[in-house]
Amino acid sequence: SQQGEEDPQALSIQEGENATMNCSYKTSINNLQWYRQNSGRGLVHLILIRSNEREKHSGRLRVTLDTSKKSSSLLITASRAADTASYFCAPAGGGATNKLIFGTGTLLAVQP
Amino acid sequence: EAQVTQNPRYLITVTGKKLTVTCSQNMNHEYMSWYRQDPGLGLRQIYYSMNVEVTDKGDVPEGYKVSRKEKRNFPLILESPSPNQTSLYFCASSFKGQGEQFFGPGTRLTVL
Repeated sequence: SQQGEEDPQALSIQEGENATMNCSYKTSINNLQWYRQNSGRGLVHLILIRSNEREKHSGRLRVTLDTSKKSSSLLITASRAADTASYFCAPAGGGATNKLIFGTGTLLAVQP
Repeated sequence: EAQVTQNPRYLITVTGKKLTVTCSQNMNHEYMSWYRQDPGLGLRQIYYSMNVEVTDKGDVPEGYKVSRKEKRNFPLILESPSPNQTSLYFCASSFKGQGEQFFGPGTRLTVL
């Protein structure tokens, strides 16, 4: 299974600090995606990084991908209370089927 | 506005009473999926559809049915709900199988 496993399971930081979340997976991928979920709500797509990319930025988000280590990281810089949410990685493996497999996520709490 | 809608948002029912959760998207996406989210288990895919009249099982399909008669709609059917189907359900759609997924707001189902 290419399910992503996020680490840590929970993270608490102060506003203004950076937050780093990691994701590991087991098989080869075409791309890897990160999603955010505010409590009880639908997931929102944050960023997609392709297997031939090593780093990608979007606003305060920075994603890295190391396919040799089968790992990815999501960095949120200058965090805000509104960043409090669960974050999920979803590796997308080979094939045409819609098989993004989500892990259990990292719960980020940003204290004001 | 591009969106995925689900109805109902909340439902309390009793064991054995058939129910349908509707899902509709207005983005002309070919791919649609249903997930359930349970504490400690993350999101698990129930069924997915790659196009009209093309559906396939996800990771936890037991007790569920789906149909895809129109491109925009992908209802989830519980023929005889049981308490272990109490969960938070999400519908999602995407243009490509492994591209960005757009999630609905979720349906919180309780089966007594």
